[in-house]
Amino acid sequence: GEDVEQSLFLSVREGDSSVINCTYTDSSSTYLYWYKQEPGAGLQLLTYIFSNMDMKQDQRLTVLLNKKDKHLSLRIADTQTGDSAIYFCAESPSYGGSQGNLIFGKGTKLSVKP
Amino acid sequence: GAVVSQHPSRVICKSGTSVKIECRSLDFQATTMFWYRQFPKQSLMLMATSNEGSKATYEQGVEKDKFLINHASLTLSTLTVTSAHPEDSSFYICSARSWETQYFGPGTRLLVL
Repeated sequence: GEDVEQSLFLSVREGDSSVINCTYTDSSSTYLYWYKQEPGAGLQLLTYIFSNMDMKQDQRLTVLLNKKDKHLSLRIADTQTGDSAIYFCAESPSYGGSQGNLIFGKGTKLSVKP
Repeated sequence: GAVVSQHPSRVICKSGTSVKIECRSLDFQATTMFWYRQFPKQSLMLMATSNEGSKATYEQGVEKDKFLINHASLTLSTLTVTSAHPEDSSFYICSARSWETQYFGPGTRLLVL
């Protein structure tokens, strides 16, 4: 079945890099996503990667995809206190033929200490 | 671009009343919108997929007569919680699909007394 796993907590010091990991099970996923949720708010799309890519970089964010191991990671460089939030990994099992629904992990709560 | 709004952001109602939540895509058209429910400190649970001009597709265990979904235009989907009860209190989030991406609304906090 479809399942997305994430560690629940990560704590880092301000200025350090944060790495949030995710594993997924559906090898047919065409896109994989990272969303950020701040308290009481909706989800903000941070970045996403197409399954035929290994890496995608966008400013402080770097996404690495190991399709063989079905492992996705999000690296945040120079982590700031404003990065404290819950980060959700999500996969889209397929695109075009389906509705495009997403399967979410449980979220990783990132705490940034000054 | 790709902004999704929800209204209201917060609602308190009495048990037995109905509540309507609106989800709008402000700068793009969305043939498909999704409704999620999120319990405290938990992930999002997909409730239903809303398709413009047709009936919504509900996930297993979600009562379609209790959670009425209408997607009358390419920019608006509504979720009506009928005869709400305290156990329906939750955070409801919608999203709108644009090509390969889903953009989420800010959520609606529902409290049923």
